[in-house]
Amino acid sequence: GAGVSQSPSNKVTEKGKDVELRCDPISGHTALYWYRQSLGQGLEFLIYFQGNSAPDKSGLPSDRFSAERTGGSVSTLTIQRTQQEDSAVYLCASSLSGASGYTFGSGTRLTVV
Amino acid sequence: DAKTTQPPSMDCAEGRAANLPCNHSTISGNEYVYWYRQIHSQGPQYIIHGLKNNETNEMASLIITEDRKSSTLILPHATLRDTAVYYCIVRIYNDMRFGAGTRLTVKP
Repeated sequence: GAGVSQSPSNKVTEKGKDVELRCDPISGHTALYWYRQSLGQGLEFLIYFQGNSAPDKSGLPSDRFSAERTGGSVSTLTIQRTQQEDSAVYLCASSLSGASGYTFGSGTRLTVV
Repeated sequence: DAKTTQPPSMDCAEGRAANLPCNHSTISGNEYVYWYRQIHSQGPQYIIHGLKNNETNEMASLIITEDRKSSTLILPHATLRDTAVYYCIVRIYNDMRFGAGTRLTVKP
């Protein structure tokens, strides 16, 4: 597609359940980021993938969070045993490797009730 | 650490130039300066980036001081639709961390 696609756009889940958030980057983009943004807050870095290199997981807030990127394309962010503080908009961005700008998706709004 | 300092908010009159400053005094020689903006409820949008030279594109101009310790994003003719949070980021390759940004409000 022409842009970064994220699904679902909205997700409401019960506390304690697991959720999976999906990101389809722009075709050919080798770099992929996940961020989250709580209401009224800035963007918090979560994880970064670059090609076949080991991902930079330094931003993941706890071991309940994990992410995969299969075949260097689609990425899935998984949150296990969700908590209310996980409620946020989760944003994905992709880029050609190097110094080019990143294109963001529209995000997934996660609400944990 | 975002490595940049920006004023939390600014106002600009519609049709006038908006000049958004950013300090990055610890920038290293191979770090780029990037600008993004985020309009309410949308994902961030890439605006422009540069290394040493001033840059211009259809959206904005980027002026980087000779010592590279600060930069200014210029929106030449601000419109109401330019109201957003503007983020200045310095990064090498793919380490991109966002700070709090500047909330620009364009007023009629």
